Amino acid sequence: DTAVSQTPKYLVTQMGNDKSIKCEQNLGHDTMYWYKQDSKKFLKIMFSYNNKELIINETVPNRFSPKSPDKAHLNLHINSLELGDSAVYFCASSQGLAGIEQYFGPGTRLTVT
Amino acid sequence: KQEVTQIPAALSVPEGENLVLNCSFTDSAIYNLQWFRQDPGKGLTSLLLIQSSQREQTSGRLNASLDKSSGRSTLYIAASQPGDSATYLCAVIYGNNRLAFGKGNQVVVIP
Repeated sequence: DTAVSQTPKYLVTQMGNDKSIKCEQNLGHDTMYWYKQDSKKFLKIMFSYNNKELIINETVPNRFSPKSPDKAHLNLHINSLELGDSAVYFCASSQGLAGIEQYFGPGTRLTVT
Repeated sequence: KQEVTQIPAALSVPEGENLVLNCSFTDSAIYNLQWFRQDPGKGLTSLLLIQSSQREQTSGRLNASLDKSSGRSTLYIAASQPGDSATYLCAVIYGNNRLAFGKGNQVVVIP
């Protein structure tokens, strides 16, 4: 009965590959987010979707493409992976957009070799 | 652009001592402020959400204050325990529910 879940938990891949990370929430929320935590542990927002509509796209390379098939799912596809993409990617969700508490998934640790 | 700073970056305290963690932000146009806890290799656990109209919020041994006009928040943890050892992250919520995070306060409570 995990509220926000992500798969896979760990992902090791080579430069140039394409990979996807999946996120699902069972909280009934209408807004989902992707955050990146870099090697210095700094967390930054990448994208958010509200009711399957892209709301935030925060200066992320277009190799990153989020997709929201429905309100409960937000996937992140990354093309042509680079060493600098190595990080922990967190998914989060909230109900609404006006200063609402966000709930985070456990994270996906991506290592690009 | 919203910038969030947390001081100190790391601290160690003996068990039983009170913890005081500071957070400052540059733009007072925020919706709310949220404090999280992150354990090594784990996700984020939400501790407290303070609405911009509130001055403080309490949950058990945790108390968070907010002074929006001066761009400051403080998280107090009373009577610290070894289980409180973690990184504490402050995040302000603004514009379309964006979270802008500080770099965290890494806390070690010594038994």
